[in-house]
Amino acid sequence: QSALTQPPSASGSPGQSVTISCTGTSSDVGAYNYVSWYQQHPGKAPKLMIYEVSKRPSGVPDRFSASKSGNTASLTVSGLQSEDEADYYCCSYGGSNYWLFGGGTKLTVL
Amino acid sequence: EVQLVESGGGLVQPGGSLRLSCAAFEFTFGRHWISWVRQAPGMGLKWVANINPDGSQKNYVDSVKGRFTISRDNAKNSLYLQMNSLSVEDTDVYYCVRESFWAFDLWGQGTMVTVSS
Repeated sequence: QSALTQPPSASGSPGQSVTISCTGTSSDVGAYNYVSWYQQHPGKAPKLMIYEVSKRPSGVPDRFSASKSGNTASLTVSGLQSEDEADYYCCSYGGSNYWLFGGGTKLTVL
Repeated sequence: EVQLVESGGGLVQPGGSLRLSCAAFEFTFGRHWISWVRQAPGMGLKWVANINPDGSQKNYVDSVKGRFTISRDNAKNSLYLQMNSLSVEDTDVYYCVRESFWAFDLWGQGTMVTVSS
């Protein structure tokens, strides 16, 4: 099974909004509402930001939102802040207890 | 503090073996599916394997089937990954990760495995 497809980079100025896409197939992203998103700062472990397509864990700012349409999921970061600069990864359940990650998107706050 | 702590990484020659361990603290380890996720330096995340709460179900990515074995000891709140027939392509940081609500909600700090002659 192939990795999910994410743009390698995204950027925005402080206060702006940026959206990162994550494209899979009808066997993974399109088949299950089990898409999650992770934030990873350099040298750190990933952190869960979104689960089950659009739910935010406790402590994650509501500036982070997400959705899914068909085989593509999206993460939107509103009101960009300098600390949002990080790598972002999407993940989807692929069936048969198999998980797929995206290649990652480096978000730069200009 | 609720955390996962990996150990056992290091330098190993191609064809060699290594056993990773993961210790869980301050949560009910035996109630959760646990995964191993790997990441090459500067690269993306890749799911490797997972195991169900009682250890009766184990799943692996195709690239490690027959070489890696995941196991757990709930009495010791510990997870293991036995890695055999290692190749240079297995050089990665390996994370122990708790599964919850169909996501990976708790990550360890990772342990580095380097396969090199």
